[in-house]
Amino acid sequence: DTGVSQDPRHKITKRGQNVTFRCDPISEHNRLYWYRQTLGQGPEFLTYFQNEAQLEKSRLLSDRFSAERPKGSFSTLEIQRTEQGDSAMYLCASRLLSGNTIYFGEGSWLTVV
Amino acid sequence: AQSVAQPEDQVNVAEGNPLTVKCTYSVSGNPYLFWYVQYPNRGLQFLLKYITGDNLVKGSYGFEAEFNKSQTSFHLKKPSALVSDSALYFCAVRDEASNYQLIWGAGTKLIIKP
Repeated sequence: DTGVSQDPRHKITKRGQNVTFRCDPISEHNRLYWYRQTLGQGPEFLTYFQNEAQLEKSRLLSDRFSAERPKGSFSTLEIQRTEQGDSAMYLCASRLLSGNTIYFGEGSWLTVV
Repeated sequence: AQSVAQPEDQVNVAEGNPLTVKCTYSVSGNPYLFWYVQYPNRGLQFLLKYITGDNLVKGSYGFEAEFNKSQTSFHLKKPSALVSDSALYFCAVRDEASNYQLIWGAGTKLIIKP
């Protein structure tokens, strides 16, 4: 399968712990996006990369959140000192710079207890 | 400001009947319009898009959508609904001048009854 891959699919963590999610985009896709989605809501933009450069961050992305794409391939999203309000599905998506369509992964569910 | 409205939280259709899921939008420039579907506990799957050209666009799983510039709408349609079409449907728009950000509707839950 050559779609967007996310890992882990599910994560349960205690409040205050750090968590990290990984995303492998579709091969050769320059743009990589992170979104957050809560139940019954549409996706909320968090940040995006063009190759290894992080070009935009939403105000939703507090200083507890950090994302990297060190070699312009896979990306990680780390949440430090998790809070219950961080419980959501974290979606990764990618597209070609020359394309219009973004393709999503299956998402990583985070539950903070 | 850019916005997308999906006026119906839920649409109920009997299997075999035609279905329509509504979407209206507001952008400052030419719109790029998208429909995605989401099954429970899954990511979003791309269905179809309108960028330019023919106002009627065809997509995956027999879905189609009609771009109406005067009504600023992009309704999703299917001639004959299947129970397996039951899912959450999202409309999204991007201004052609925007580098990255899709603006999303709140989603419409489609329920197809046997």
